[in-house]
Amino acid sequence: EAGVAQSPRYKIIEKRQSVAFWCNPISGHATLYWYQQILGQGPKLLIQFQNNGVVDDSQLPKDRFSAERLKGVDSTLKIQPAKLEDSAVYLCASSPGPKDTQYFGPGTRLTVL
Amino acid sequence: GQNIDQPTEMTATEGAIVQINCTYQTSGFNGLFWYQQHAGEAPTFLSYNVLDGLEEKGRFSSFLSRSKGYSYLLLKELQMKDSASYLCGGGQNFVFGPGTRLSVLP
Repeated sequence: EAGVAQSPRYKIIEKRQSVAFWCNPISGHATLYWYQQILGQGPKLLIQFQNNGVVDDSQLPKDRFSAERLKGVDSTLKIQPAKLEDSAVYLCASSPGPKDTQYFGPGTRLTVL
Repeated sequence: GQNIDQPTEMTATEGAIVQINCTYQTSGFNGLFWYQQHAGEAPTFLSYNVLDGLEEKGRFSSFLSRSKGYSYLLLKELQMKDSASYLCGGGQNFVFGPGTRLSVLP
């Protein structure tokens, strides 16, 4: 069974630029999560989707971050404009349902200069 | 918010036993997950406790007390490859603790 796929794996941008990350969850998983993990810290949930609907985006900085999962499968997370403090690994995870075990993708390491 | 606390770092010797504790606010928690995360890699699932008590899975065991908001991960017969961060997490808004960085020394 294929795992969670993410791209790109690495991205370096200048502050104030825009960036987008893509995630393809495990087939059949209805729930999709985006996390931000700053070096040395645990992952912080940014947004949770159930199919194509948002369940929780309370910790998403909505002035600069946006995410969508239009067809209830793939998802994109966008940052516009990026700030230095956005440098982190962005992890995507999926699960069959909202209370089930989450399976993580390899992450995208973002460096903002 | 839902707070989860873990020790930041622990050190143990190869072949030994180590217990990593996790405490959390009980409100909104239906169970507790443990994940292992090697440096530069994504977290991988270790265990999920939804009922009180100890669950054993090979060299790893996890314990939960829902009334006390307390869990621990027990690692036996430590190996060098167990050097990693161990994350506990759960709750309605799926919160992770800061992670415990375990170093296994020869």
